[in-house]
Amino acid sequence: NAGVMQNPRHLVRRRGQEARLRCSPMKGHSHVYWYRQLPEEGLKFMVYLQKENIIDESGMPKERFSAEFPKEGPSILRIQQVVRGDSAAYFCASSPPSRGGDEQFFGPGTRLTVL
Amino acid sequence: AQSVTQPDIHITVSEGASLELRCNYSYGATPYLFWYVQSPGQGLQLLLKYFSGDTLVQGIKGFEAEFKRSQSSFNLRKPSVHWSDAAEYFCAVGKAAGNKLTFGGGTRVLVKP
Repeated sequence: NAGVMQNPRHLVRRRGQEARLRCSPMKGHSHVYWYRQLPEEGLKFMVYLQKENIIDESGMPKERFSAEFPKEGPSILRIQQVVRGDSAAYFCASSPPSRGGDEQFFGPGTRLTVL
Repeated sequence: AQSVTQPDIHITVSEGASLELRCNYSYGATPYLFWYVQSPGQGLQLLLKYFSGDTLVQGIKGFEAEFKRSQSSFNLRKPSVHWSDAAEYFCAVGKAAGNKLTFGGGTRVLVKP
């Protein structure tokens, strides 16, 4: 059973470009979470999705950021018009249909660098 | 709002010595508590978790943690560290199943030979 997969692992963008980060959850997992880790900081929650639904986006910046988890295919975190402050590691996690406190399994992350 | 504090940013320990990492949380009800480890350039791996029951929880790699409700703490311990334990450790709290996690700032552990 493959773990959570994220691609690309490293992404370089210039200011004003778009960044698309992909996350394939573990097989059988229907919950996806995105977290951002700024340099020298802990992870901060961004958004929680189930298939075709955004459940909690309380951690998403109001502008330029969006996320989706379509019926088919990976979850996508999209950042439009990137700025230097968006440089961070973005982690995706997945969990199975809730049975009570299931752990979240983390992917290796995408490290975004904005020049 | 829930929050997690890890008071120690860095800890240096000799190989073979014991290790304790502190974690304090703020949450109104019984939380779901987790410890994750992150090696450089890698994702997070779960060490252990606490939901209910026995307050002393055993995890992987020889780690254990104790939930103390009166102190709002969930400290992580290992009796004898190995060089491979050098990493960053994160404590996290969640409200319920399928809910977002709130992470502490992390503690970076260095292991001296």
